[in-house]
Amino acid sequence: AQSVTQLGSHVSVSEGALVLLRCNYSSSVPPYLFWYVQYPNQGLQLLLKYTSAATLVKGINGFEAEFKKSETSFHLTKPSAHMSDAAEYFCAVSRGGSQGNLIFGKGTKLSVKP
Amino acid sequence: EAGVAQSPRYKIIEKRQSVAFWCNPISGHATLYWYQQILGQGPKLLIQFQNNGVVDDSQLPKDRFSAERLKGVDSTLKIQPAKLEDSAVYLCASRIPGRDVAYEQYFGPGTRLTVT
Repeated sequence: AQSVTQLGSHVSVSEGALVLLRCNYSSSVPPYLFWYVQYPNQGLQLLLKYTSAATLVKGINGFEAEFKKSETSFHLTKPSAHMSDAAEYFCAVSRGGSQGNLIFGKGTKLSVKP
Repeated sequence: EAGVAQSPRYKIIEKRQSVAFWCNPISGHATLYWYQQILGQGPKLLIQFQNNGVVDDSQLPKDRFSAERLKGVDSTLKIQPAKLEDSAVYLCASRIPGRDVAYEQYFGPGTRLTVT
């Protein structure tokens, strides 16, 4: 069975500071990993994904994530937070394949202070 | 291109009433998903369609929830009768039916259901 654990339901950073959102996964097969962002009253938007190619994945809006198999982690980072980054972020795992579905973590709400 | 459309955006009903949600996926996206997102949790898959056939409905509470996609395009999700615990955002997503789940899912804005 696959699962995702996001450490910290709420993270607060100052504008310009490093953003680090943590995600650990559990999977019996090589996983596909995703980060989605959700702005208030909107659907989810894909930030980036890992599908067994490069372990350092770059996404939209300056975000990136590194797949670390030894730590079963896929943490999301951004060097400098912007006010517009305030949103909820979800990590998701899939076993892959044509019928592999997404299993989401509980989400981390990011607040950015001016 | 137009995104995934959902309606209504908000719905308030009393328990034991019935409700229906509608989703129109992106044109050409044969794979369609319905998710339930309870406050403070991540989305949970309810049902997946490939064209008008059900691929996975293992987490759909079939005693009260039903979904259909008769012509392989738009879809409806129904709850009858609703319970208080059904209060959630219902998200619809679609993707191109590729060989792999790595193809991105595109999400609609969701329908926020409140059951009183």
